[in-house]
Amino acid sequence: EVQLVESGGGLVQPGRSLKLSCAASGFTFSNYGMHWIRQAPTKGLEWVASISPSGGSTYYRDSVKGRFTISRDNAKSTLYLQMDSLRSEDTATYYCAGRVSFDYWGQGVMVTVSS
Amino acid sequence: DIQMTQSPASLSASLEEIVTITCQASQDIGNWLAWYQQKPGKSPQLLIYGATSLADGVPSRFSGSRSGTQYSLKISRLQVEDIGIYYCLQAYSAPYTFGAGTKLELK
Repeated sequence: EVQLVESGGGLVQPGRSLKLSCAASGFTFSNYGMHWIRQAPTKGLEWVASISPSGGSTYYRDSVKGRFTISRDNAKSTLYLQMDSLRSEDTATYYCAGRVSFDYWGQGVMVTVSS
Repeated sequence: DIQMTQSPASLSASLEEIVTITCQASQDIGNWLAWYQQKPGKSPQLLIYGATSLADGVPSRFSGSRSGTQYSLKISRLQVEDIGIYYCLQAYSAPYTFGAGTKLELK
């Protein structure tokens, strides 16, 4: 059974940092691109970042470029999102998703940026 | 960036009715289109990938089609468990973009 389990969310002050993790199991993690998607309260889905299977290529939405870093550890089957210089508009539930068509999704982790 | 225009924003339909949701891409994305269903408090679930392929475990009343840069999701006979919000996603090129969503309710 495929599982993606996010962790690391919480309440953080503006300007501070947070690192999300996504532990994968049930599929060959190292074969697939992985993604982070977020959803602000009562809003729609918004793609945040993606990483190639090897980790050699990364992609970001403009609003997080230079602040967020996506990475992966294929030996640990784990995806990460380092979030720096957080803003109130980054408040959302963050989901990790796997494979080309975002086939698999985690349950999501809440990030609240507030003073 | 590729824009995905999804319609309608909301839809009220009766049980057993045929429901159709569409997404219009702002440029050619080939078959790099997926559809998701999201229920309250839950993560999105893949329904259709490659514009027309049914994901594992998804009921056959769901189907996807493509006409040029317009993509459609059809539910052939609406069931109670189909209530939720539906999103399309273009997975052709980054930045990947979702449609704004269609909220499907029972009439």
